[in-house]
Amino acid sequence: GENVEQHPSTLSVQEGDSAVIKCTYSDSASNYFPWYKQELGKRPQLIIDIRSNVGEKKDQRIAVTLNKTAKHFSLHITETQPEDSAVYFCAASRGSSGDKLTFGTGTRLAVRP
Amino acid sequence: NAGVTQTPKFQVLKTGQSMTLQCAQDMNHEYMSWYRQDPGMGLRLIHYSVGAGITDQGEVPNGYNVSRSTTEDFPLRLLSAAPSQTSVYFCASSFLGSNEKLFFGSGTQLSVL
Repeated sequence: GENVEQHPSTLSVQEGDSAVIKCTYSDSASNYFPWYKQELGKRPQLIIDIRSNVGEKKDQRIAVTLNKTAKHFSLHITETQPEDSAVYFCAASRGSSGDKLTFGTGTRLAVRP
Repeated sequence: NAGVTQTPKFQVLKTGQSMTLQCAQDMNHEYMSWYRQDPGMGLRLIHYSVGAGITDQGEVPNGYNVSRSTTEDFPLRLLSAAPSQTSVYFCASSFLGSNEKLFFGSGTQLSVL
């Protein structure tokens, strides 16, 4: 089955700096890669996703890049704000939507004001 | 529109007790799934369903049963609870097909003593 590794497990940045979280996956047939943000005590919520026919996708201060050859994808958050503090999860699946996602182990991001 | 509704929010069981975690969605999603979230382990898929009458195992199915008698409901049953099943459980659903996203319920925190 699919295996998704996520690094780092914790990340602390100064407000206004950028944050980068990296994931690798094992199944070359995976073609859907979402990122979820989970605030303390809340449900995971989708913040951005990318499919295998796209190399990069941006949405305001967040962006995701995908390298299918190397089987890795990354989340980039620019101009970080205290409200970006949360746990972020990457995931991968063979489908083109959210079914049977395999998740990474999460990155706890702390943004220092 | 309530989205994905989980009950109860909190539950304490004794070893060997049985219980059912309820999940209902009002979005007419074909796909429904259960994940468990443990510290440092990310979210792991327990069981999933692609429609009424169809269920399948995920990554960690042992000790759990599911059924899907209607499109709306997907209960998760613990037949004989064990301390290893102490976790936060999330139900999630989506449409099947391209560009569909997975939506999570608010979670059930289960402690087995």
